[in-house]
Amino acid sequence: EVLLWESGGGLVQPGGSLRLSCGASGFPFDDYAMTWVRQAPGSGLEWVSTISGSGVVTYHADSVKGRFTIFRDNPKNTLFLDMNSLRVDDTAVYYCARNYAGAPDHWGQGTLVTVSS
Amino acid sequence: QSALAQPPSASGAPGQRVTISCSGSRSNIGSNSVYWYQQLPGRAPKLLIYNNDQRPSGVPDRFSGSKSGASASLAISGLRSEDEGHYFCAGWDDSLRQSLVFGPGTKVSVL
Repeated sequence: EVLLWESGGGLVQPGGSLRLSCGASGFPFDDYAMTWVRQAPGSGLEWVSTISGSGVVTYHADSVKGRFTIFRDNPKNTLFLDMNSLRVDDTAVYYCARNYAGAPDHWGQGTLVTVSS
Repeated sequence: QSALAQPPSASGAPGQRVTISCSGSRSNIGSNSVYWYQQLPGRAPKLLIYNNDQRPSGVPDRFSGSKSGASASLAISGLRSEDEGHYFCAGWDDSLRQSLVFGPGTKVSVL
């Protein structure tokens, strides 16, 4: 069974930093690209970042480029998202997801990030 | 404003068929695969359709997807109360730089 679990969310002040983690099990982690998607309260889904299975290729949404970094530790089956210069509009539930056939298939339950003073 | 357009809501009685549209452009679903997600209240999204019309294992055949040009649709037949929730289309967009775009979502209500 594919399992994904996020951690690291919480309350942070504007301009602050946070690191999200996503543990994975039930599949060969380094064979799959991984993605972060966020959802602001009461809003739709917004793609954040995607990383290839090897970790060599990354993509980031324009809204987070230069502030967020996606990376992975394949031996530890863990995906990360480093978030810097956080803004109020980064407040959202952040989901990690495994990619299949080009887009997320299995999703974690999400971790809430609240940016507020 | 999303690169993909969806109607904000759709509804039907139990057992009926509901269709949700997703309109894009040549740079996204006109040249790339379409994906559909279901999000039930308080839950994480779930993949319903990938590569335009393929169902992952475990997804009932009541859900079907299709694509024509830069438009796609999701059909739910035999509507059930447990189908109430939000449905999002998605696809990769090749304009400027690659990005995965989601539609704004359609809320499906079972009357």
